[in-house]
Amino acid sequence: QAVVTQEPSLTVSPGGTVTLTCGSSTGAVTSGHYPYWFQQKPGQAPRTLIYETSNKHSWTPARFSGSLLGGKAALTLSGAQPEDEAEYYCLLSYSGTSVFGGGTKLTVL
Amino acid sequence: EVHVVEAGGGFVQPGGSLKLSCAASGFTFSASAMHWVRQASGKGLEWVGRIRDKANSYATGYGASVKGRFTISRDDSKNTAYLQMDSLKTEDTAVYYCVNIYPSGYWGQGTLVTVSS
Repeated sequence: QAVVTQEPSLTVSPGGTVTLTCGSSTGAVTSGHYPYWFQQKPGQAPRTLIYETSNKHSWTPARFSGSLLGGKAALTLSGAQPEDEAEYYCLLSYSGTSVFGGGTKLTVL
Repeated sequence: EVHVVEAGGGFVQPGGSLKLSCAASGFTFSASAMHWVRQASGKGLEWVGRIRDKANSYATGYGASVKGRFTISRDDSKNTAYLQMDSLKTEDTAVYYCVNIYPSGYWGQGTLVTVSS
């Protein structure tokens, strides 16, 4: 089974910009892995932020964007807000299966 | 409005079985894949498996840790997906979420499964 890697933790200043990445042990992440990004706050169910690399749901704040960057999937937060402090998970699809990354704990400080 | 509601969690002994259900509304269930995701206390998300729609032959896929023990099914007439869990192990203890990752993006609130003697 493929291993999906994320930064364990990142810190961003309020109003700052940070990029979270999502890599695959099988090689470069492409649009064919249909990268998804999810946000989870303590005590809550996760919610979907980004689907299929860069598409947003109606509830996704405009300050979040998804892309492919340097062979990885990337989630960029521009203009961080205190309420963005959370755990972020990516999900990649492989032939018939999917795998979550270990999550990135984002601190806004 | 979209709703995804899991049910059926509870306490079960190792080696036992349990069947979870996931009732969905507010999107075209019959044309959507449904996923199951779990999360052990204090741990990250783990993809359990998914079932695709009729157009994709109801194809299923499973994570390595549950393959051969768990089975996903669906009843489009009831807008409901199921997760049959057999040969349960203590490490299967987790909150189980039902998710329509696409198109709605909605998650249920989860149901707790505890496997213990």
